[in-house]
Amino acid sequence: EAGVAQSPRYKIIEKRQSVAFWCNPISGHATLYWYQQILGQGPKLLIQFQNNGVVDDSQLPKDRFSAERLKGVDSTLKIQPAKLEDSAVYLCASSFLDGGNEQFFGPGTRLTVL
Amino acid sequence: GENVEQHPSTLSVQEGDSAVIKCTYSDSASNYFPWYKQELGKRPQLIIDIRSNVGEKKDQRIAVTLNKTAKHFSLHITETQPEDSAVYFCAASFGNQFYFGTGTSLTVIP
Repeated sequence: EAGVAQSPRYKIIEKRQSVAFWCNPISGHATLYWYQQILGQGPKLLIQFQNNGVVDDSQLPKDRFSAERLKGVDSTLKIQPAKLEDSAVYLCASSFLDGGNEQFFGPGTRLTVL
Repeated sequence: GENVEQHPSTLSVQEGDSAVIKCTYSDSASNYFPWYKQELGKRPQLIIDIRSNVGEKKDQRIAVTLNKTAKHFSLHITETQPEDSAVYFCAASFGNQFYFGTGTSLTVIP
């Protein structure tokens, strides 16, 4: 089966600019996760969708981050405006159902904010 | 919320020796515990998982043990090989939520 797709793979922006990431989960996976992974740390959940509804966004910095999954399939994560501390790898993952099922990760988008 | 602690942060072993990585969690409601391997510049990949109704699970050279009472679980890799070198993450999950440990960088010295 095709894996989780993400684009772009790399992005370099200056602080205060905007950036958007895209994720296409595995076909049929209802749950989609966005994680932020800072170098040397474990993935930190930003937002979780079940179909097109938000299940958990408690750790999403809502003043600058937003995400949507309008049709319950692919998703976009946006940062506006970016800060230096947003430099990280942004991982998208999907699973067939909710917790208790394997998450499949995409290749990630490495964001560098200068 | 859940708090997952992982130790050690770095681990070096000689090829053929065993490696053990330990994680503790705080929320007794967590009932699913996956382990991921992440090679440099690559995505995390599931290598083994265990559910709270099981105390131990083994898959070839990899095993995971779970102690629900003490709220800790461990990854055991036997007969380590250079290709086992990577960062390993544990996670604890309940329902919709996953919480990851901070990772262990394992180096297997040939």
